[in-house]
Amino acid sequence: QVQLQESGPRLVKPSETLSLTCIVSGFSINNGHYWGWIRQSPGKGLEWIGSINHSGSTYYNSSLQSRATISVDTSKNHFSLTLTSVTAADTAIYYCTRDLRNGYNTDSSDTWGQGILVTVSS
Amino acid sequence: DIQMTQSPSSLSASIGDRVTITCRASQSIRRNLNWYQQKPGKAPKLLISAASNLQSGVPSRFSGSGSGTGFTLTITSLQREDSATYYCQQTYSAPTWTFGQGTKVEIK
Repeated sequence: QVQLQESGPRLVKPSETLSLTCIVSGFSINNGHYWGWIRQSPGKGLEWIGSINHSGSTYYNSSLQSRATISVDTSKNHFSLTLTSVTAADTAIYYCTRDLRNGYNTDSSDTWGQGILVTVSS
Repeated sequence: DIQMTQSPSSLSASIGDRVTITCRASQSIRRNLNWYQQKPGKAPKLLISAASNLQSGVPSRFSGSGSGTGFTLTITSLQREDSATYYCQQTYSAPTWTFGQGTKVEIK
């Protein structure tokens, strides 16, 4: 059974970089799917951040204005998110997800991590 | 970007009631519509994909319908454990997926 677990600092200072890692267990990243990040804040609800596959092909939400970068380490079976120049508006629960992206109407995020609350504050 | 609008924002219903949640897209998304259930303190859980495909393990009292711009999630006989917030999500405008603002279902 595939499981995802987010890790990283829970407090980040304004203007600094947020870095999170998602450890995947029970499924090899090399076996396919995309792997993504979604965040949830009281003000903006659920917001898709981006996705990556095992070969490093990425998609991003343009609203993040190129501040987000997603990378993958298949040898460690994990993937990561960095978000630069953070502000209080980036305070949110960050979820990592396993995404089905075949271009069909069944595309979805079928597995989610438990989420990690990241607060941006000095 | 495609905007997703859910209604109502919240509702209160009794055990055994039939509950319907509506999700409207700002343009046609064909049947590229998913429904998620989120309980307090938990991550969202995929309930239905492709507008009407019930995920494995999801009770049959949940159903989805619709296409184009209008979709519904129906709970035919509300149970206590269905108290949660429900979100729709469009995956038509790849790669960007967007969610509705959520509908909170409470038990009277």
